[in-house]
Amino acid sequence: EDQVTQSPEALRLQEGESSSLNCSYTVSGLRGLFWYRQDPGKGPEFLFTLYSAGEEKEKERLKATLTKKESFLHITAPKPEDSATYLCAATGGSQGNLIFGKGTKLSVKP
Amino acid sequence: EPEVTQTPSHQVTQMGQEVILRCVPISNHLYFYWYRQILGQKVEFLVSFYNNEISEKSEIFDDQFSVERPDGSNFTLKIRSTKLEDSAMYFCASSGTVAKNIQYFGAGTRLSVL
Repeated sequence: EDQVTQSPEALRLQEGESSSLNCSYTVSGLRGLFWYRQDPGKGPEFLFTLYSAGEEKEKERLKATLTKKESFLHITAPKPEDSATYLCAATGGSQGNLIFGKGTKLSVKP
Repeated sequence: EPEVTQTPSHQVTQMGQEVILRCVPISNHLYFYWYRQILGQKVEFLVSFYNNEISEKSEIFDDQFSVERPDGSNFTLKIRSTKLEDSAMYFCASSGTVAKNIQYFGAGTRLSVL
């Protein structure tokens, strides 16, 4: 069964303290790996998509990387406004639907 | 910036009643999806829709659920006879043809079944 697992479930950082979020996946015929940001009571907001091992994408303080088994979301010098739940999702095989992990809730304290 | 719009933002209903959740996808998108998120749980896929028909559905999407694109802009999810366990956030998403896999989500409808 296709599965996406994220760790840690929650992460508390001080402003400026860099860290990484992990997403491991077992998806047959991975077509894409996606990162979304979700604020409380809102829908997922698209951040990145990665398609092949070794690929990297960057946006402001965020950088996403992909290997054959996992993806990392690196957060460099985070600010309080980066506080949110970060969701990892994958598509595989002939399916177009996203398979989501449970997310990592990030809190950044000033 | 184009966005997916969902109405209502919150729907309260009695068990056994029918509800219709509405979505206006991004205007030039052709692939449409419904997902749900029970409080504290993962976002789960319900159904995808393309070319006026269902292309994929999950085990959750049983005979109580149906989807429709009644006109050129709206995409609806109907639950025929709601159950307590249908209480969740329901998200609509859409994607275009070129970057088909990138799905853009609406803000969601919170469904509360009493």
